[in-house]
Amino acid sequence: DTEVTQTPKHLVMGMTNKKSLKCEQHMGHRAMYWYKQKAKKPPELMFVYSYEKLSINESVPSRFSPECPNSSLLNLHLHALQPEDSALYLCASSQVRLAGGALIHEQFFGPGTRLTVL
Amino acid sequence: KNQVEQSPQSLIILEGKNCTLQCNYTVSPFSNLRWYKQDTGRGPVSLTIMTFSENTKSNGRYTATLDADTKQSSLHITASQLSDSASYICVVSAGEYGNKLVFGAGTILRVKS
Repeated sequence: DTEVTQTPKHLVMGMTNKKSLKCEQHMGHRAMYWYKQKAKKPPELMFVYSYEKLSINESVPSRFSPECPNSSLLNLHLHALQPEDSALYLCASSQVRLAGGALIHEQFFGPGTRLTVL
Repeated sequence: KNQVEQSPQSLIILEGKNCTLQCNYTVSPFSNLRWYKQDTGRGPVSLTIMTFSENTKSNGRYTATLDADTKQSSLHITASQLSDSASYICVVSAGEYGNKLVFGAGTILRVKS
């Protein structure tokens, strides 16, 4: 299995709803990421989990709450979102490998969840 | 400040033609440079990854070059196909282990028949 899967593909929610985005990989990667991508913009890093521990939080508002239940799963819990939070949410995982004499983190992205907040 | 700049912003070419996309970066410490292809509404898919010691890498009709001295990279697409229409993003990895990615804004390529 060489892919990152995300569910749901599309999500429409109101500002008072609570929902969760799910991400799964079975490549044995120990680092997992959440990105937010607005239309015609590059992805913006939100969170990084390394060995199931949160290692980077890019000052993301608390209405986004990540969770890493095990090494294969990554969730993003959503609560009281704003319309400006509407975006494509991408999950990625990475492995470290040796290439060209250097250690690199090779990131694999999932297909994303298209989130619309009404 | 770590930055990745891409040009052109968008490009329209005829099917079967070649094209070259450019990427300039100021990222330190440099770990590696990647080109991703992203279809609309989908996640980015890696095309090539190059470290500082590699100056060219091919993946089918895609060939990437890297000049670490001038901090420039290019992605050349040969014999373009309609399915090449996508956003092409240059991403540079920073940091000791290269796990912090700096994204370019992307070049939107449209291939016409």
